[in-house]
Amino acid sequence: DAGVTQSPTHLIKTRGQQVTLRCSPISGHKSVSWYQQVLGQGPQFIFQYYEKEERGRGNFPDRFSARQFPNYSSELNVNALLLGDSALYLCASSGTGQQGWETQYFGPGTRLLVL
Amino acid sequence: AQTVTQSQPEMSVQEAETVTLSCTYDTSESNYYLFWYKQPPSRQMILVIRQEAYKQQNATENRFSVNFQKAAKSFSLKISDSQLGDTAMYFCANHQLINSGGSNYKLTFGKGTLLTVNP
Repeated sequence: DAGVTQSPTHLIKTRGQQVTLRCSPISGHKSVSWYQQVLGQGPQFIFQYYEKEERGRGNFPDRFSARQFPNYSSELNVNALLLGDSALYLCASSGTGQQGWETQYFGPGTRLLVL
Repeated sequence: AQTVTQSQPEMSVQEAETVTLSCTYDTSESNYYLFWYKQPPSRQMILVIRQEAYKQQNATENRFSVNFQKAAKSFSLKISDSQLGDTAMYFCANHQLINSGGSNYKLTFGKGTLLTVNP
């Protein structure tokens, strides 16, 4: 079975532009979480979605938004890009996201560079 | 805010030797889960090992084992017989509720330890 997939792998944008990142979870998983990993740091939680509903949001501005589709894939949108948004964006999938014992499995990430 | 601390930014070990990576965490939950993830230079984050806090027995996965000290809130990772392929960033993470009273969980990560295995 395929693992978590993300597209694109790399992206270069300029300040003020908008970007959309995509994620497909592991087959059978219904929960998707998004994390931002700035160079030299651990990932920071952005969003979690389950059954197309937002179940949690980290400490990120409203420029960040996401959605989940009926097939459980997800998109992360970032508007009005800032230089500080340059990071590796990781998507993780899990069964429901509602059990503490569930492991989150990560995709390869999308590297975003904002110039 | 709950935190995860990895006090060793970088470590190195000779091939075939044993190395221990440290992690301490802070949590107010009575039952929780702890994880070690590995992120090689190719950047794919891979689960190494998981520990359930209510289990006193330390988790093991082949060459990887943990030393879980609940009272001290310590969760170290021991890698035995180190291999060149173990070279990676290692992240300690705590599973925690996103919102108090809710039922959804997020991972809180430490800053990571860069482990280099030398031939």
